[in-house]
Amino acid sequence: EDKVVQSPLSLVVHEGDTVTLNCSYEVTNFRSLLWYKQEKKAPTFLFMLTSSGIEKKSGRLSSILDKKELSSILNITATQTGDSAIYLCAPFGNEKLTFGTGTRLTIIP
Amino acid sequence: DTGVSQDPRHKITKRGQNVTFRCDPISEHNRLYWYRQTLGQGPEFLTYFQNEAQLEKSRLLSDRFSAERPKGSFSTLEIQRTEQGDSAMYLCASSLGGQGASYGYTFGSGTRLTVV
Repeated sequence: EDKVVQSPLSLVVHEGDTVTLNCSYEVTNFRSLLWYKQEKKAPTFLFMLTSSGIEKKSGRLSSILDKKELSSILNITATQTGDSAIYLCAPFGNEKLTFGTGTRLTIIP
Repeated sequence: DTGVSQDPRHKITKRGQNVTFRCDPISEHNRLYWYRQTLGQGPEFLTYFQNEAQLEKSRLLSDRFSAERPKGSFSTLEIQRTEQGDSAMYLCASSLGGQGASYGYTFGSGTRLTVV
């Protein structure tokens, strides 16, 4: 059965701190890994990673995939209160996304 | 609006009633997915369509759940004889997919179901 584990489950930091969120997966027929941000509604897309070792960057967020270790990390630098959300990792395999439980990130002003 | 639309946004129903949700995907997307999300959990896969064909159903999807995508465009998810355990957010997503790949995987805002 496909499995996704995210850590930590919850993280509370002060504004301006840098955070690293972790995702490990076991998915058959793996093709790519997606990161989403979820506030009160539907998940919104952040990154799609297909190749190992190539960092994707968007502003203060960056992410990288390690296919050998079956893992990915999401980094957020200079955090802001608007970064408070649940961050979901979802590998794509067997024609669908499988989600972890997410990391709940809280930024204290 | 070119995003994924779901209707209704909220539904409160009495236990034992039937409910139906609708999802309108991004028009050029051939794949449509249904997920269920409960508090503190990530979305759980329920089923997906490629065009009008339902290609996979999760073991989570009991006989009370049925989904259709009659013309390969919008989809409906029906829950019969609702139970309190069906209370959740039901998310729809669409993508352009085929041969093991999927692009532009986009979620709708979800339908929040409360069974009382």
